[in-house]
Amino acid sequence: DAKTTQPTSMDCAEGRAANLPCNHSTISGNEYVYWYRQIHSQGPQYIIHGLKNNETNEMASLIITEDRKSSTLILPHATLRDTAVYYCIVRVAGNQFYFGTGTSLTVIP
Amino acid sequence: EAGVAQSPRYKIIEKRQSVAFWCNPISGHATLYWYQQILGQGPKLLIQFQNNGVVDDSQLPKDRFSAERLKGVDSTLKIQPAKLEDSAVYLCASSFRTGRLGGASNNEQFFGPGTRLTVL
Repeated sequence: DAKTTQPTSMDCAEGRAANLPCNHSTISGNEYVYWYRQIHSQGPQYIIHGLKNNETNEMASLIITEDRKSSTLILPHATLRDTAVYYCIVRVAGNQFYFGTGTSLTVIP
Repeated sequence: EAGVAQSPRYKIIEKRQSVAFWCNPISGHATLYWYQQILGQGPKLLIQFQNNGVVDDSQLPKDRFSAERLKGVDSTLKIQPAKLEDSAVYLCASSFRTGRLGGASNNEQFFGPGTRLTVL
């Protein structure tokens, strides 16, 4: 069972911020949220993860709501190479990942 | 560092035939995962190994699928006999360790490029 819900697709103008939402209303207190992306014909690639605090790295920022029932991945300045399917994942016991169907992000020139 | 290697990249077989996929994880990674990704869906975990032992194979269709990781390094996934609905990309991933629930460490899973299987 997928533990996350994401919009099927989104568009974003090149150079603008891309905000990708995710609902994980059944997440347990000690389960992490991970974000991966998958470019066509490649394996998923790690972006960022968090538990309850907001996180930032060189690729993106992750904003987690206080109740932890939803989160938003932010790509601050989207480029054409960011066009991909983005997966919001809940990591459960044993380091197992539950993938949803993901959001297909298209960055438009 | 070298990534997760998989072979072959593509395979076309007829239904009822057998097929095997190979995966070599990142050196030093104790945990290995096999996923099935059907077109338009997210990856679904089939089996998880910790070294050469199975941690979870609850989603593996054991009547036709088998997997092994005999020496705790590389792994093979076999389908025998294949069905039309087995057409998918089979992804292998590895991580440094399984990690305890709630552990603060980043148990990032590193994915290989996948094997695209077409069953005719």
